[in-house]
Amino acid sequence: DQQVKQNSPSLSVQEGRISILNCDYTNSMFDYFLWYKKYPAEGPTFLISISSIKDKNEDGRFTVFLNKSAKHLSLHIVPSQPGDSAVYFCAAIPGNTGKLIFGQGTTLQVKP
Amino acid sequence: EPEVTQTPSHQVTQMGQEVILRCVPISNHLYFYWYRQILGQKVEFLVSFYNNEISEKSEIFDDQFSVERPDGSNFTLKIRSTKLEDSAMYFCASSEALGRRAYGYTFGSGTRLTVV
Repeated sequence: DQQVKQNSPSLSVQEGRISILNCDYTNSMFDYFLWYKKYPAEGPTFLISISSIKDKNEDGRFTVFLNKSAKHLSLHIVPSQPGDSAVYFCAAIPGNTGKLIFGQGTTLQVKP
Repeated sequence: EPEVTQTPSHQVTQMGQEVILRCVPISNHLYFYWYRQILGQKVEFLVSFYNNEISEKSEIFDDQFSVERPDGSNFTLKIRSTKLEDSAMYFCASSEALGRRAYGYTFGSGTRLTVV
């Protein structure tokens, strides 16, 4: 199932700089897109979402951009902090269902 | 902050044995889910549960799997006859309503199931 893809397995940035995590999808029927953060030995934690009818949503240091024509979304973290180091999952919800379809995840390391 | 609680955190079982993974969702949530993550792979949807019945299930969720909400607070996943390939981290999640999808789902910390 390759409906949601995160092509970069890892990303390393300096503290204070911008982190940009990318996600591509193939199904144009996705209704919502979400980003989750996961620390080792914990479950995924919801970060931010965006409706398919929007192109941007912002919450503090986190902004998600959606480009429907390119079937691409990205998560921007500004400024990045060492505590942001974790695995970030992009997920999508098809139509009027409740299930999440996850990408493979990107491991973000923020260096002090 | 309300939490989804999963027990046990780690379970080791012999191949062919039955296992029950337990979850206590957030009390005012109405939708319940099980997901799993095999080591090195994606988090995969297994099943969603609403109003005491399965609302959706994936191809993975075959006759070996069942879910139950036995007492109004617990939500369980049963695997009848475990196989080696069932070894994975199993996550329970809950949400208030489908209309609240924009607010994400709350996941538990997971149960690591090891089948030997």
